[in-house]
Amino acid sequence: AQTVTQSQPEMSVQEAETVTLSCTYDTSESDYYLFWYKQPPSRQMILVIRQEAYKQQNATENRFSVNFQKAAKSFSLKISDSQLGDAAMYFCAFIGYSGGGADGLTFGKGTHLIIQP
Amino acid sequence: DTAVSQTPKYLVTQMGNDKSIKCEQNLGHDTMYWYKQDSKKFLKIMFSYNNKELIINETVPNRFSPKSPDKAHLNLHINSLELGDSAVYFCASSQVMGHTEAFFGQGTRLTVV
Repeated sequence: AQTVTQSQPEMSVQEAETVTLSCTYDTSESDYYLFWYKQPPSRQMILVIRQEAYKQQNATENRFSVNFQKAAKSFSLKISDSQLGDAAMYFCAFIGYSGGGADGLTFGKGTHLIIQP
Repeated sequence: DTAVSQTPKYLVTQMGNDKSIKCEQNLGHDTMYWYKQDSKKFLKIMFSYNNKELIINETVPNRFSPKSPDKAHLNLHINSLELGDSAVYFCASSQVMGHTEAFFGQGTRLTVV
């Protein structure tokens, strides 16, 4: 079974600055996907960014980018130019190919991101 | 158009009652899931459905039963509700099981009193 660990229960950053959220995972699978989801106070789960494990290039989506270190099993999220709307819970998630992904997403416990105006 | 929709958004009910949460997706996805988010925000999968076939049933009480009338719908029935069932329940769907991201509904906050 895989596990996902987010070691920062809460992070705070000044508006317009950059913040990095940490995520590590443990798995015996070689093929898998990693995701970051955002959950604002509205409760909606919103996909921020995805990374396929077979891709060496780090994924980027506008102000959001990841640092994927497969050997270290690390998958951090960098948010540049932080905005007030980025305030939310951020969840790191994993899904493996074996079993066809029937196990669904395995989530970390989340990091609560606070944006200081 | 809402991609994955759940009803109701909020559900307050007494212990011992039976309730259902409905979920519909208009994305044409083959796979649907139910996740439970507890009071500490931890998300855990409950069920996966692929082409209307139950693929996995995590160690959830058999009071919980998913029912899928067709590929676009996956409802969650809960019998004999207990206080510990209070949580937020999310429905989700994905195009290809295990190979694509999941799209989530807005969640149903269930409170058992």
